[in-house]
Amino acid sequence: AQSVTQPDIHITVSEGASLELRCNYSYGATPYLFWYVQSPGQGLQLLLKYFSGDTLVQGIKGFEAEFKRSQSSFNLRKPSVHWSDAAEYFCAVGALTGGGNKLTFGTGTQLKVEL
Amino acid sequence: DAGVTQSPTHLIKTRGQQVTLRCSPKSGHDTVSWYQQALGQGPQFIFQYYEEEERQRGNFPDRFSGHQFPNYSSELNVNALLLGDSALYLCASSLDLLTSAGEQYFGPGTRLTVT
Repeated sequence: AQSVTQPDIHITVSEGASLELRCNYSYGATPYLFWYVQSPGQGLQLLLKYFSGDTLVQGIKGFEAEFKRSQSSFNLRKPSVHWSDAAEYFCAVGALTGGGNKLTFGTGTQLKVEL
Repeated sequence: DAGVTQSPTHLIKTRGQQVTLRCSPKSGHDTVSWYQQALGQGPQFIFQYYEEEERQRGNFPDRFSGHQFPNYSSELNVNALLLGDSALYLCASSLDLLTSAGEQYFGPGTRLTVT
């Protein structure tokens, strides 16, 4: 069975500082990996995805993530954080099993941005 | 292009009652998945529907059932509500696996409170 670990429950950064959110996954085959962002009381918005090919993927809002198979990681990065980036971030792995494509999510990382 | 829509936005029910939540997928999508997100947790996969059939199911009791209609919209039904069913219920739509690799788009969710 697949699983996702997000080791950091809360992270606080200053506006303009760089950001890295950690994600480790467990999956027996080549994973499909995703990062989603959720603002309070809202649904999830897809930031970026990795299916295959280039291990550095670019997403919306200036985010990028790097897939490292040897470390089973898919960390999310942003060079300069904006106050509007404050939200909860979820890493997910897609499992193409049983004819379906369910997502398994981590517990999330709450990002706070200090002005 | 309309995204994923869900109704109602909020719902308050009493223990033992039954509830129906509704979802309309993103235009062009034919697969609908449902997730439960308890407070402070990541979303948990309930089930997925494709071609009006349940294709995959997560670890949820039979009190949770669903339906997909010919126009690809979907309903989630929960019987004999428990206090622990209080959560944000998220609907996600995607294209069939033959044409995509599991990229799912989420609606804003229905907040269910059981008292």
